[in-house]
Amino acid sequence: GAGVSQSPSNKVTEKGKDVELRCDPISGHTALYWYRQSLGQGLEFLIYFQGNSAPDKSGLPSDRFSAERTGGSVSTLTIQRTQQEDSAVYLCASSLDGAGAGTHEQYFGPGTRLTVT
Amino acid sequence: AQTVTQSQPEMSVQEAETVTLSCTYDTSESNYYLFWYKQPPSRQMILVIRQEAYKQQNATENRFSVNFQKAAKSFSLKISDSQLGDTAMYFCAFMKLGDMRFGAGTRLTVKP
Repeated sequence: GAGVSQSPSNKVTEKGKDVELRCDPISGHTALYWYRQSLGQGLEFLIYFQGNSAPDKSGLPSDRFSAERTGGSVSTLTIQRTQQEDSAVYLCASSLDGAGAGTHEQYFGPGTRLTVT
Repeated sequence: AQTVTQSQPEMSVQEAETVTLSCTYDTSESNYYLFWYKQPPSRQMILVIRQEAYKQQNATENRFSVNFQKAAKSFSLKISDSQLGDTAMYFCAFMKLGDMRFGAGTRLTVKP
């Protein structure tokens, strides 16, 4: 079946512009995660959606970052007034059940490489 | 908060040999999940192996196995018969109730 998809795969933007990154999770997965991965670094947790519950936004680095998940499926990560330090790969992952008794594996998308010039 | 430490930024191994990647974590929880993910140059994160903390038996997946020491909070990955395609970044991860934390990664190079 289809995996997690993300678009665009690459995005170059000018400092100060807003960008939107999209994630399509695996159908039926109730949990969705966003991570940021700077060059050669590990994954930094940004935000987590679980079903209809309020999202865990504890990882968002500033109020310029926000995310939505519409209809419990597609998610959009928005970065306003982009800065050069926002340059990174943004990874999205989904899992069947983030906090329950089911499988806990996260399935990752290919990521969006964001470059702020 | 849970933390995950991978103390080996880079490792290399000869093709067909065995290599062990280290991971330690810090938590006060008793029930949780541990994972190893692989990230090749393609950037795609791939699950290698998972371990439930309540299981004493070490997980095994073909050439990949773990040494899970719960009391020591250690979760190492052993790769047997290393292949060129195993060259990648390897991330150890801890998960509790949907909250997943990753280590900084170990870059593994398999040499022909």
